[in-house]
Amino acid sequence: DIQMTQSPPSLSASVGNRVTITCRASQSINSYLNWYQQIPGKAPKLVIFTTSSLQSGVPPRFSGSGSGTDYTLTISSLQLEDFATYFCQQTYITPHTFGQGTKLEIK
Amino acid sequence: EVQLVQSGAEVKKPGESLKISCRGSGYTFITYWIGWVRQMPGKGLEWMGIIYPRDSDTRYSPSFQGQVTISTDKSTSTAYLQWSSLKASDSATYYCARHRSVGGTDGLDVWGQGTAVTVSS
Repeated sequence: DIQMTQSPPSLSASVGNRVTITCRASQSINSYLNWYQQIPGKAPKLVIFTTSSLQSGVPPRFSGSGSGTDYTLTISSLQLEDFATYFCQQTYITPHTFGQGTKLEIK
Repeated sequence: EVQLVQSGAEVKKPGESLKISCRGSGYTFITYWIGWVRQMPGKGLEWMGIIYPRDSDTRYSPSFQGQVTISTDKSTSTAYLQWSSLKASDSATYYCARHRSVGGTDGLDVWGQGTAVTVSS
């Protein structure tokens, strides 16, 4: 299985800050990397697919980049509704493993 | 509107069987891979497996192979996740979700609301 390692596990930031979350795969995943946002008690929501494509309806302050084994999710100017847990997922090879999550909290 | 609607919460005893469902609507059900994801209380997302409804091609995570069965009924646009003998450690919320493209290699863009399963004696 491909292991997905996210960092940091948690992050405190303020409204308006720029934040970056990192995801590292145990082998190359050829840009098949997706990011999800989950608010407690709700289903996950797709934010970015295949590294850098913005899912419909997601604000452009979200962006993704990366290649090979290393990928990042950036939120350019945090809004209140962005405080949530973020998960990466590789869809290059089954099992389509998830990272362990990054909890983004208000400072 | 494209949506997946899951069956309601379940409370079962260890050793019992269970089949939960996920009904798709608003799109051509058979042409998109459907996946199942487990989330234990307070924990992260675990990928269980996916199925292609058109031909029932199914892929399981090694962690769940032999523990659950994923299936579909094309006539009702419904995907299923079933257990033959539940354990307390199966207590979790289970989500179904659809891959956003027919290839099944990109993200899961439509999610069900989740089905909470509690297994307790």
